[in-house]
Amino acid sequence: DTAVSQTPKYLVTQMGNDKSIKCEQNLGHDTMYWYKQDSKKFLKIMFSYNNKELIINETVPNRFSPKSPDKAHLNLHINSLELGDSAVYFCASSQDFFQRGNNEQFFGPGTRLTVL
Amino acid sequence: KNQVEQSPQSLIILEGKNCTLQCNYTVSPFSNLRWYKQDTGRGPVSLTIMTFSENTKSNGRYTATLDADTKQSSLHITASQLSDSASYICVVSGPDRGSTLGRLYFGRGTQLTVWP
Repeated sequence: DTAVSQTPKYLVTQMGNDKSIKCEQNLGHDTMYWYKQDSKKFLKIMFSYNNKELIINETVPNRFSPKSPDKAHLNLHINSLELGDSAVYFCASSQDFFQRGNNEQFFGPGTRLTVL
Repeated sequence: KNQVEQSPQSLIILEGKNCTLQCNYTVSPFSNLRWYKQDTGRGPVSLTIMTFSENTKSNGRYTATLDADTKQSSLHITASQLSDSASYICVVSGPDRGSTLGRLYFGRGTQLTVWP
């Protein structure tokens, strides 16, 4: 049973394209996240989201947008892809926002995005 | 300067040996500190979560310690196994001027390699 799943695992595309990464969690959690991990393995949170609040990291370009069709899904849409967007993107979930107590986060396997 | 610094950057040990990884932080006030293990090509997995009132927490062969006065944490791995080879990431939860909820501050990780 996969708790947090992402598709695709690998995504290779050209500059200027628009792409989406899908994420699903079957843990019944209320909160989901998107992270970016660069080539130096540095993790940065991009979005924290539940059905009431969206918290956006101020450094995230507005070309990136999260879309949640329901509580179990949080997809990441990226418009006008740039070379610097190449990274591994991780989805995660937790019962409530991590900031509210010691909510444990569960991560997906990651999507490696390569922009040519 | 990153508010969470980990050392060493990389470490090689022989199977069966013990090792200790360090995490120093300047985040203040601090809510909790987490250690994650990230295997190559996978998402991070939570090992421990500690609040400021906890000094030590164990998870199998992993023991995390916290000194909130000196703002230091360590992760001790006992009787290392080949499967311990991974990146170990220290994450501190603290305030965020842009959000009343706060944010996560990530270290860059220690890459541990266990040789047979």
